[in-house]
Amino acid sequence: GQQLNQSPQSMFIQEGEDVSMNCTSSSIFNTWLWYKQEPGEGPVLLIALYKAGELTSNGRLTAQFGITRKDSFLNISASIPSDVGIYFCAGLRNYGGSQGNLIFGKGTKLSVKP
Amino acid sequence: DSGVTQTPKHLITATGQRVTLRCSPRSGDLSVYWYQQSLDQGLQFLIHYYNGEERAKGNILERFSAQQFPDLHSELNLSSLELGDSALYFCASSVVSANSGANVLTFGAGSRLTVL
Repeated sequence: GQQLNQSPQSMFIQEGEDVSMNCTSSSIFNTWLWYKQEPGEGPVLLIALYKAGELTSNGRLTAQFGITRKDSFLNISASIPSDVGIYFCAGLRNYGGSQGNLIFGKGTKLSVKP
Repeated sequence: DSGVTQTPKHLITATGQRVTLRCSPRSGDLSVYWYQQSLDQGLQFLIHYYNGEERAKGNILERFSAQQFPDLHSELNLSSLELGDSALYFCASSVVSANSGANVLTFGAGSRLTVL
């Protein structure tokens, strides 16, 4: 089945540093999404990307939908302690009209040292 | 609060038993999805219901079943439980985005199942 390869698996950074993580796939997706999950919670949507080449920002977060539609990256600038969590990329697999389900990467666990 | 409500939050049971997990989607959302999250497998899609009808199945075991009721809440039934079924089970509901016609999934807080 379709798989998303997300890297890195984990990151340990100093507060204030920038972070970059990415996701690649052997299949094309028409929508890429980035979610963040904190302990005891479900994933929360951060950024949604709908067009190849699209670059979208949400505060200190920036994500891009790759031109080939097979990859996406997420950057976090000037990290702060509350950025800690697991970040997931997800590609939307359509199966008729607007219906579809998400295929998730395995996540990037971010730790921020104050 | 995401608006997606899942119960119970935690559940501990024994092998061979059967449990039911419940999900109430956000008001107005017709789609309900179930995902399983285990440490080594990440978030795995199980099943999708839209307005009471099954729309797609993922990696759902035959021992598992789900349904969506007329009031749009959904239940995931897990039977003949095995140790390996211990995981977080998430429900998500969705509304179609006006941007692209794409689904945007909103997740509940999950039900943590421990099978002993």
